[in-house]
Amino acid sequence: GENVEQHPSTLSVQEGDSAVIKCTYSDSASNYFPWYKQELGKGPQLIIDIRSNVGEKKDQRIAVTLNKTAKHFSLHITETQPEDSAVYFCAASPRGGATNKLIFGTGTLLAVQP
Amino acid sequence: DAGVIQSPRHEVTEMGQEVTLRCKPISGHNSLFWYRQTMMRGLELLIYFNNNVPIDDSGMPEDRFSAKMPNASFSTLKIQPSEPRDSAVYFCASSTLQSGYTFGSGTRLTVV
Repeated sequence: GENVEQHPSTLSVQEGDSAVIKCTYSDSASNYFPWYKQELGKGPQLIIDIRSNVGEKKDQRIAVTLNKTAKHFSLHITETQPEDSAVYFCAASPRGGATNKLIFGTGTLLAVQP
Repeated sequence: DAGVIQSPRHEVTEMGQEVTLRCKPISGHNSLFWYRQTMMRGLELLIYFNNNVPIDDSGMPEDRFSAKMPNASFSTLKIQPSEPRDSAVYFCASSTLQSGYTFGSGTRLTVV
């Protein structure tokens, strides 16, 4: 079945710097790759997603890139702010689409130092 | 919209007792998912439904776990009998093709 690996497990950056989190997946049939932000005591919240027919997607300070050949995708956060501090999860859908199951990575704890 | 609503937020129970977790998905979302989150195993899919029909329950750990979705606006996850290793945060999520997953706030279950 699908396996998603995520790195790094922890990331500390200075406010204003960029942060990059990387994930790899194993199932070449996967075609939907969302990213979630989880704050303490809350459920994961979708922040951006990408489908396999595009290579990059941006939303303000957040961008995601996808390399289908290498089976990896990355989250880029620019101009980080203290409120970006949270756990970030990547995920892949082995059957494709947001109405099918997601396999999650193990999470990255991002700390933005003021 | 109030989002995905889960109840209770916290549950403390004794080993051997029955536990029922409840979820109300977002109106119009036709897919519903139950996930379990622990430090050791991360986010694990337990079961999911499309149009109220169970599609994949391969993540349900044992026969002690069962889930139902009697209609489009309600689902339950039941553990009977509960064990200390079931202690975790249980999340419900709902989705459409366009919206992606929306998670509830979770139920923190502690079995003593």
